[in-house]
Amino acid sequence: EPEVTQTPSHQVTQMGQEVILRCVPISNHLYFYWYRQILGQKVEFLVSFYNNEISEKSEIFDDQFSVERPDGSNFTLKIRSTKLEDSAMYFCARKTSGSTDTQYFGPGTRLTVL
Amino acid sequence: GIQVEQSPPDLILQEGANSTLRCNFSDSVNNLQWFHQNPWGQLINLFYIPSGTKQNGRLSATTVATERYSLLYISSSQTTDSGVYFCAVLTGGFKTIFGAGTRLFVKA
Repeated sequence: EPEVTQTPSHQVTQMGQEVILRCVPISNHLYFYWYRQILGQKVEFLVSFYNNEISEKSEIFDDQFSVERPDGSNFTLKIRSTKLEDSAMYFCARKTSGSTDTQYFGPGTRLTVL
Repeated sequence: GIQVEQSPPDLILQEGANSTLRCNFSDSVNNLQWFHQNPWGQLINLFYIPSGTKQNGRLSATTVATERYSLLYISSSQTTDSGVYFCAVLTGGFKTIFGAGTRLFVKA
């Protein structure tokens, strides 16, 4: 199974600070996703990204969040002015083609907001 | 939006036992996947199965798309099977919806 790496594995930040989470997929993957999982809860879709544009986003993905692929390789999720309730595991996922292919998940970044 | 329900929510098995996990979804889907979240939090892809039946070792899955459900079978369970099993569906767009999961504990 092709790998997706995420950095950092764990991020601790103070409330109100900005954080950037990074995902490094294999270059030929076109579809990227961010999910979050609050401890003990289910995985929640945040946003999907295709061809350098957001293709769909959830109600959770408000103005506090942004995504980009600045260098054509790393795929980033930025959270501005973090809140306590942003503490969660954030997963990046990718797949190669359209709606009929398998999503592969990275190992996740655990974000702790103090 | 589409609803995804998994049952049972919790399951305790003796090592060697078999089990069936169920996923019901409320609308047509393009894609359905089963994942295992291990105790370290990693999401491991088990099956991509929008329809039909697949098998991988002691695990197998069946999706009946017309009746909007999928089943995951675990045979001869092992302690390493413990964790949370998630069903996830992709609708017509790019949004994936996860069920709440089945938490499995296999006793030695």
